[in-house]
Amino acid sequence: EADIYQTPRYLVIGTGKKITLECSQTMGHDKMYWYQQDPGMELHLIHYSYGVNSTEKGDLSSESTVSRIRTEHFPLTLESARPSHTSQYLCASSESRTILMGYWGANVLTFGAGSRLTVL
Amino acid sequence: AQSVTQLGSHVSVSEGALVLLRCNYSSSVPPYLFWYVQYPNQGLQLLLKYTSAATLVKGINGFEAEFKKSETSFHLTKPSAHMSDAAEYFCAVSEASRDDKIIFGKGTRLHILP
Repeated sequence: EADIYQTPRYLVIGTGKKITLECSQTMGHDKMYWYQQDPGMELHLIHYSYGVNSTEKGDLSSESTVSRIRTEHFPLTLESARPSHTSQYLCASSESRTILMGYWGANVLTFGAGSRLTVL
Repeated sequence: AQSVTQLGSHVSVSEGALVLLRCNYSSSVPPYLFWYVQYPNQGLQLLLKYTSAATLVKGINGFEAEFKKSETSFHLTKPSAHMSDAAEYFCAVSEASRDDKIIFGKGTRLHILP
């Protein structure tokens, strides 16, 4: 039973189109993330958010943008898609960490099923 | 800086045989270590995690992993492979510090032979 939902699951579009990948979670998690996944490669963090109105760029440079207007919703937008944007995009969320005996708790991610984008 | 190395992008085992997926990490501070599994057309799912308690960690579906500090390893094992174990497995590392960053390996695709 998924607690984090991504739509669309598959999208094939032409170059130059604007697309939005939706991500919603029902767990009340403060933190949300977008990862890009290509075959045989590490997952690369492209955006993250620590709460409403908070967004940051990740380690991998991306032409996409994100917004966080509501806690449960973290959409990713590409204003003008190109073939180089073809990839799988994974959304994830995690709850806030707490500190115990001097150490922060582990950051455990819950992932959505992914959105596979193909730009022709 | 943290890093993760998974040895072998593809591993094939016969049904009923031992599964061993290798992961080595580097971290300058006490690490947290994770194994995630990704079934076809799905997102990643947490299999197990090491958070500085017991060094042998048991996860779902009969998998376990052992943290060996001296070898900087966190290999994943299962005594007897099942066809349903066919998936991609990702090792990941983060720090027991304020930094939330999680570093994933490149993944190992496990094939189960009948």
